[in-house]
Amino acid sequence: NAGVTQTPKFQVLKTGQSMTLQCAQDMNHNSMYWYRQDPGMGLRLIYYSASEGTTDKGEVPNGYNVSRLNKREFSLRLESAAPSQTSVYFCASSELASREKLFFGSGTQLSVL
Amino acid sequence: KQEVTQIPAALSVPEGENLVLNCSFTDSAIYNLQWFRQDPGKGLTSLLLIQSSQREQTSGRLNASLDKSSGRSTLYIAASQPGDSATYLCAVRPYKYIFGTGTRLKVLA
Repeated sequence: NAGVTQTPKFQVLKTGQSMTLQCAQDMNHNSMYWYRQDPGMGLRLIYYSASEGTTDKGEVPNGYNVSRLNKREFSLRLESAAPSQTSVYFCASSELASREKLFFGSGTQLSVL
Repeated sequence: KQEVTQIPAALSVPEGENLVLNCSFTDSAIYNLQWFRQDPGKGLTSLLLIQSSQREQTSGRLNASLDKSSGRSTLYIAASQPGDSATYLCAVRPYKYIFGTGTRLKVLA
């Protein structure tokens, strides 16, 4: 049982480049999330999807877009990367039946030069 | 606005000691609270989830308590081991989870 899988694990971009972070879960969860983790800031919610076909902004959505491709997959896109987007990105999923217990992927470490 | 605070930011203890990690939150209107463990360079692993109607949850050497009225939760670790060294984060869910910045624990052999 893989749980939540994120790719890539590491990425280096130049300012202005674009990229997509991929996330897939195999637990049949309805809700999926993208967080970023910065030193001293804790985890902050970028976007979430309560169900297939719906997405909503979190605390820090500027500079990002998301796609809930199907129930399993939730991708995060940086259209024009900026140094302020250097961070560790985590995908997570949850389900009401399990009291919205969060399950996390292993993260993507992104550096924007 | 809900804010979550974890103090201290870092803690070092000798092996075998019982210890308590603290989490405080400003708004008592929450559905649940979760404690997580994060190892360096890794994702977060859920340790315990306490629903708003519960007072505590236990798993092995871990016990988490919740006092909504005072906006506090504690994570009690019994007989600490070097393998417990990690960062421990709490998160409260009024609607979506809000995280504290964590306590970095080091258990010395």
